[in-house]
Amino acid sequence: EAGVAQSPRYKIIEKRQSVAFWCNPISGHATLYWYQQILGQGPKLLIQFQNNGVVDDSQLPKDRFSAERLKGVDSTLKIQPAKLEDSAVYLCASSFGLDLFEQYFGPGTRLTVT
Amino acid sequence: GENVEQHPSTLSVQEGDSAVIKCTYSDSASNYFPWYKQELGKRPQLIIDIRSNVGEKKDQRIAVTLNKTAKHFSLHITETQPEDSAVYFCAEGGGNTPLVFGKGTRLSVIA
Repeated sequence: EAGVAQSPRYKIIEKRQSVAFWCNPISGHATLYWYQQILGQGPKLLIQFQNNGVVDDSQLPKDRFSAERLKGVDSTLKIQPAKLEDSAVYLCASSFGLDLFEQYFGPGTRLTVT
Repeated sequence: GENVEQHPSTLSVQEGDSAVIKCTYSDSASNYFPWYKQELGKRPQLIIDIRSNVGEKKDQRIAVTLNKTAKHFSLHITETQPEDSAVYFCAEGGGNTPLVFGKGTRLSVIA
């Protein structure tokens, strides 16, 4: 089966600019996650969707980060404006359902903010 | 999940030896404990997971043990091989609560 797809793979922007990331989950997976992975750390959940509804966004910096999954399939994560500390790998993952199902990760987008 | 501590942060073993990585957690409601392997520049991949109704699970050279009373779980890799070198992350969660990941253990297997 096709895996989780993400684009772009790499992005370099200056601080205060905007950036958007795209994720296409595995077909049939209802749950989609966006994680931020800073170098040397484990993934940190930013937002979790169940179909097109938000399940958890408690760790999303809502003053600058936004995410949507309008049709319950693809999702976009946006940062506006970016800060230096946003430099990280942004991982998208999907799972079949909410309850303890294995999460499959995409290849990630490496963001560098200069 | 609330918080998970992972030790050690780095681990070097000789090829053929065993490696053990331990995680402790604080949320007594946690009931799902996966382990992920992440090679340099690649995505995390699930290697084994355990649920709270089981104390131990094995898959070839990999095993995970869970002690719910003490709130810790461990990854055991036997007969290590150079291709086992990677960063390993534990995670914990429960029901509808999101997974919380540890900070990772960088395992180096020396040939």
